[in-house]
Amino acid sequence: DIQMTQSPSSLSASIGDRVTITCRASQNIISTYLNWFQQKPGKAPKLLIYDASSLQSGVPSRFSGSGSGTDFTLTISSLETEDFATYYCQQTHSTPLTFGGGTRVEI
Amino acid sequence: EVQLVESGGGLVQPGGSLRLSCAASGFTFKNFWMDWVRQVPGKGLLWVSRINSDGRTTRYADSVKDRFTISRDNAKNTMYLQMNSLRAEDTAVYYCARAAAGRNFDFWGQGTLVTVSS
Repeated sequence: DIQMTQSPSSLSASIGDRVTITCRASQNIISTYLNWFQQKPGKAPKLLIYDASSLQSGVPSRFSGSGSGTDFTLTISSLETEDFATYYCQQTHSTPLTFGGGTRVEI
Repeated sequence: EVQLVESGGGLVQPGGSLRLSCAASGFTFKNFWMDWVRQVPGKGLLWVSRINSDGRTTRYADSVKDRFTISRDNAKNTMYLQMNSLRAEDTAVYYCARAAAGRNFDFWGQGTLVTVSS
């Protein structure tokens, strides 16, 4: 199974901050198979980034993704109020599909 | 507008069964792989199962293999998850999700809560 390790597990930030979340896969995965999601309390996850770096339709351009192989990054260039949430990476390279443990972004 | 609506959750005793449904609308359901993902309240996301577009290929997480069965009825635009021999650790919110290009979970339902308890 491919393990996805996210760091940090939580972070405190302020409006306007640049935020970076990392995700490391336990084995090499093709970047095509890496997604990033945002989840707010009581809501379903929302796809932000697919194929490691492609911005999902309707998602603000302050979100970006990068990486390949085993190391991937989600960046929020300038944090806004509505960005306080939990973020998850996911690999869809092989089953069982696996998610990272989540990164909670709070004030 | 793409919509996924789960139903069928509820309270069930350990060892019992439940069938979840995911009703799809707003897109050509038969063209998409579909998945189930669960989440214990306050915890992370766990992938449960997937099914390909024609229903012939299925995959399961080890924790549910041989107890859960995923299926779909493309004529009814609905996916199902038959859950048997339920355990307390199966308690979670269950989401269905559409897998665009077989890999990008671009739309999710609102989730349905399954509680396994005596």
